[in-house]
Amino acid sequence: EAQVTQNPRYLITVTGKKLTVTCSQNMNHEYMSWYRQDPGLGLRQIYYSMNVEVTDKGDVPEGYKVSRKEKRNFPLILESPSPNQTSLYFCASSKRGYYEQYFGPGTRLTVT
Amino acid sequence: RKEVEQDPGPFNVPEGATVAFNCTYSNSASQSFFWYRQDCRKEPKLLMSVYSSGNEDGRFTAQLNRASQYISLLIRDSKLSDSATYLCVVNKFGSSNTGKLIFGQGTTLQVKP
Repeated sequence: EAQVTQNPRYLITVTGKKLTVTCSQNMNHEYMSWYRQDPGLGLRQIYYSMNVEVTDKGDVPEGYKVSRKEKRNFPLILESPSPNQTSLYFCASSKRGYYEQYFGPGTRLTVT
Repeated sequence: RKEVEQDPGPFNVPEGATVAFNCTYSNSASQSFFWYRQDCRKEPKLLMSVYSSGNEDGRFTAQLNRASQYISLLIRDSKLSDSATYLCVVNKFGSSNTGKLIFGQGTTLQVKP
């Protein structure tokens, strides 16, 4: 089954404790992206990757890191999480950046 | 002005009603247009792409008006299961022609029995 997977689905952590949210796709897509979704603000892009080893900032990159060492994986790293990073996070992939994107199930992160 | 604008609603309609959503976009160079559906706090899912000639998928019809820079979604014979948020999505090309999708904030539809 073609899909995008994310782990964990739910995470509660404390300020400053480094965490990684994994994202994997099995559709051989070149483009992958991370979004956060907050009430009243819609989906905002954090980082994206056009292909392996090619990443770039989205609209709200502060406090986040990413890497793309393999085509299928695109982890999101929060080196020192803060409460304002409490949000619902989605990973997405597509053939190209302007093609339709397919989303993972989401990760609900709470930073206390 | 936002790059993609939608009326957030909510639109409250009875079962069986026909409802239409519009969405305007600011970048006249946009080439790809989509409607996504998102159920409460779940991932957005592609509902349909929007083609220049308009397209239909069952009870759903999407249309594109390039001159006025808007796209529309028409839902006929609304079902309770159509209750969701509908996201308008438009592509945008950057200076390096990398391309990305811009998501509207969504229009909420509530279908009542």
